[in-house]
Amino acid sequence: NAGVMQNPRHLVRRRGQEARLRCSPMKGHSHVYWYRQLPEEGLKFMVYLQKENIIDESGMPKERFSAEFPKEGPSILRIQQVVRGDSAAYFCASSPQNGETQYFGPGTRLLVL
Amino acid sequence: KNEVEQSPQNLTAQEGEFITINCSYSVGISALHWLQQHPGGGIVSLFMLSSGKKKHGRLIATINIQEKHSSLHITASHPRDSAVYICAVHTGNQFYFGTGTSLTVIP
Repeated sequence: NAGVMQNPRHLVRRRGQEARLRCSPMKGHSHVYWYRQLPEEGLKFMVYLQKENIIDESGMPKERFSAEFPKEGPSILRIQQVVRGDSAAYFCASSPQNGETQYFGPGTRLLVL
Repeated sequence: KNEVEQSPQNLTAQEGEFITINCSYSVGISALHWLQQHPGGGIVSLFMLSSGKKKHGRLIATINIQEKHSSLHITASHPRDSAVYICAVHTGNQFYFGTGTSLTVIP
């Protein structure tokens, strides 16, 4: 049973470009969480999704950021028109049910030049 | 004020020492998690607690719901325990994270 997979592991973008981060949850997990870790800061919750539904996006910036978890395929975190302040590590985690132990992916390190 | 406070922020210990990391929270929770983040950045979930105490190898986690406090203990610490330990509380849909305790165990 493969763990949570994230790709790419590293992503470099120029200001104004789009960044797409992918997360494949563990097999059998239908709950996905996205977190951001800014340099020298702690983890911050962004969004919680189940298949085809956004359950809680209260931690996600209102503009430029969006997330989806389609019926088929990975969960996608999309950042439009990236700015330098978006540079961070973005972690995805999955669980079989909400509130249960979460399994973290290796993260995507985004660098905006 | 953060919903989750950890102490200490940094901790250096000699190999073999008993280590305690503390976590206090101010919100109502359904569960509390202890996470370990290695220098390479990977995150591992160590414990999920809603009451009492759990033990896994040399690691012990306790929680006092009334006092809104949890502790993570490491017995017979080893250099490979060097990592950042993060306390996180689950309030339903959301997680709130402490800023982490950076542990260095010296041989």
